[in-house]
Amino acid sequence: QSALSQPASVSGSPGQSITISCTGTSSDVGGYNYVSWCQQHPGKAPKLMIYDVSKRPSGVSNRFSASKSGNTASLTISGLQAEDEADYYCSSYTNSGSHVFGTGTKVTVL
Amino acid sequence: QVRLVESGGGLVKPGGSLRLSCAASGFTFSDSYMSWIRQAPGKGLEWLSYISTSGNTMYYADSVKGRFTISRDNAKNSLLLQMNSLRAEDTAVYHCVRGGRSHFDYWGQGTLVTVSS
Repeated sequence: QSALSQPASVSGSPGQSITISCTGTSSDVGGYNYVSWCQQHPGKAPKLMIYDVSKRPSGVSNRFSASKSGNTASLTISGLQAEDEADYYCSSYTNSGSHVFGTGTKVTVL
Repeated sequence: QVRLVESGGGLVKPGGSLRLSCAASGFTFSDSYMSWIRQAPGKGLEWLSYISTSGNTMYYADSVKGRFTISRDNAKNSLLLQMNSLRAEDTAVYHCVRGGRSHFDYWGQGTLVTVSS
């Protein structure tokens, strides 16, 4: 199972909005509504930010939103803040019963 | 609160074995799918395996199939990963994670496994 494709890096100024894409295939992203996103700060464990394509766990800021179209999922961070600087990974359930993660995107707040 | 604490990592020679454990608390362990996910130094996340609530169903990534075995003890609220035939490329931080089908909502801090001669 190949990793889902994400841009290596995305940057934005405080207050701006950025979008991270996550491209898979019809066997994973396109085939199921089990796409999730996690945030990882350096040296820390990942934190779930979005699940089931667009749902936010309790406690996650509504500045984080997500969607899916075909084989591509997207995460948008609105009103970018310094604390949003981190690595972001998408993941998806697959038709073989496994999971696959994205290649990861480093978000930089300018 | 949910707490997942891994143990059992360390230095092992290529071809060797290691058994990781995860102690879970703060939630009903027996009602939760559980997974192992690893991260090699400076690299991304790699899903390895998940196990159903009863322990009857397990799935593995191709990279570890036939070498790693996931299991659980619901009476002890513990998750295990038996790793055999270890290779240099298995060097990573191994995370115990709650979840297994739709998403992974709680992560342990991880335990470092280093495979080197």
